[in-house]
Amino acid sequence: NAGVTQTPKFQVLKTGQSMTLQCAQDMNHNSMYWYRQDPGMGLRLIYYSASEGTTDKGEVPNGYNVSRLNKREFSLRLESAAPSQTSVYFCASSDAGTGLGGYTFGSGTRLTVV
Amino acid sequence: GENVEQHPSTLSVQEGDSAVIKCTYSDSASNYFPWYKQELGKRPQLIIDIRSNVGEKKDQRIAVTLNKTAKHFSLHITETQPEDSAVYFCAASIFGNQFYFGTGTSLTVIP
Repeated sequence: NAGVTQTPKFQVLKTGQSMTLQCAQDMNHNSMYWYRQDPGMGLRLIYYSASEGTTDKGEVPNGYNVSRLNKREFSLRLESAAPSQTSVYFCASSDAGTGLGGYTFGSGTRLTVV
Repeated sequence: GENVEQHPSTLSVQEGDSAVIKCTYSDSASNYFPWYKQELGKRPQLIIDIRSNVGEKKDQRIAVTLNKTAKHFSLHITETQPEDSAVYFCAASIFGNQFYFGTGTSLTVIP
C-alpha cells in the first residue's frame, strides 16, 4: 500500500520548457489536489479534483493545467515554465465529503526553473 | 473563500516546556480542522484533527482546542522533545473538502 506516489522527486527546467508532474493514489480516494509550497507562504492550492471527471481551480491556478486521468491519477502540467514556478509541489488525496481523516500527501517534487 | 491565519511564524522552546500555536479562520461553515507536522525535506503528516462538534481533543502530548464562536483553534504540545522540532500547519475545511492552510509555524525545541 504505497499511499500517494509522486514523480519526479526533483526537476530542473529552463524557462519556457514544459513538463508534467505525475501523481497516483491507491487508497480509492475520490478527491485529489495539487499544492505548491513556498517559504513563508504555506501550502497554496493550485487545482483540485473532487471526483473522477471533474477539476476545479484553486487559489493559484495560472500557468498550470491538470488532468484527472482516472480515479487513481491526477497530473499537473506546466506548459511554459517560469522562474516564479520554482517551488515544491505536493499532490494529496482525501476521502473528502465524508469528514473522515485529512489529506494524505505525496513525497513532493522540488522544481527549479532557471 | 476561507482565510486561515496562523501565529507565531517561529517558536523556540526549551525541552520539556509547552508550545502553543494558534490559528483563526474566517468561514463559519468550516467544520473540520486538521494539524500537520512537516519535518525538513519531508511531506506534511497529519498529527491530530478536530471536528466542529468537539471542543477539545487529546492524543498523548498533543491536544487541539476549538472555539467556534471566536473562530479560532490551537495546537498544544506538552513536555516538548527535540523530535517535535518541525514546521506545523493548521488547516480548515468543510467536511474535508478543499483545505485552506495557515502559513506555518517553525518550532524549535532546544535541548
